Amino acid sequence: GAGVSQTPSNKVTEKGKYVELRCDPISGHTALYWYRQSLGQGPEFLIYFQGTGAADDSGLPNDRFFAVRPEGSVSTLKIQRTERGDSAVYLCASSPEPGRNTEAFFGQGTRLTVV
Amino acid sequence: AQTVTQSQPEMSVQEAETVTLSCTYDTSESDYYLFWYKQPPSRQMILVIRQEAYKQQNATENRFSVNFQKAAKSFSLKISDSQLGDAAMYFCAYRGGTYKYIFGTGTRLKVLA
Repeated sequence: GAGVSQTPSNKVTEKGKYVELRCDPISGHTALYWYRQSLGQGPEFLIYFQGTGAADDSGLPNDRFFAVRPEGSVSTLKIQRTERGDSAVYLCASSPEPGRNTEAFFGQGTRLTVV
Repeated sequence: AQTVTQSQPEMSVQEAETVTLSCTYDTSESDYYLFWYKQPPSRQMILVIRQEAYKQQNATENRFSVNFQKAAKSFSLKISDSQLGDAAMYFCAYRGGTYKYIFGTGTRLKVLA
């Protein structure tokens, strides 16, 4: 597709379950970012991939959160033992290359609700 | 650590009028970029305008312009001739050496017909 695609659009899960959120970046984009946006807040950085490797995972809140990008394209954010506090919109963005000026293109996010 | 502050949770503007959204930031870096993003109800963040810290000239994109005051660490967005389609959340963002965006808490803009 032409833009960043995130699936599912919405996900409701029970506390304690495992979830996977998928991001399909724009074709050819080497940089990929995950952000978390809680209600009424701005997006908060989680992790940044350059190619297949996580260049910066300093924003992951704890070891229940993990992300992969095995072939340097699609990325999956994985959350184990979900908690109600994990409820948020998870945004993915990609850019052609890393850089201060390079525009990052965002997907429409996955709204995760933990009940 | 860098921070971005948006002190206006909500702003209203009459259609065709001008509105200014405020943003301040804090950083010790000298090379960075500042951005304004728009987030409509669809949740997708859309780039409105960007400014390089080294450029003294304020960026302009059609009806959108910024007032960048580097010494004051201020970066406000001016929207001229406001349109109903401008209604959205607006986020100010900083991007420095780590390449990740640091966002403010946002300003909800309402456009009144």
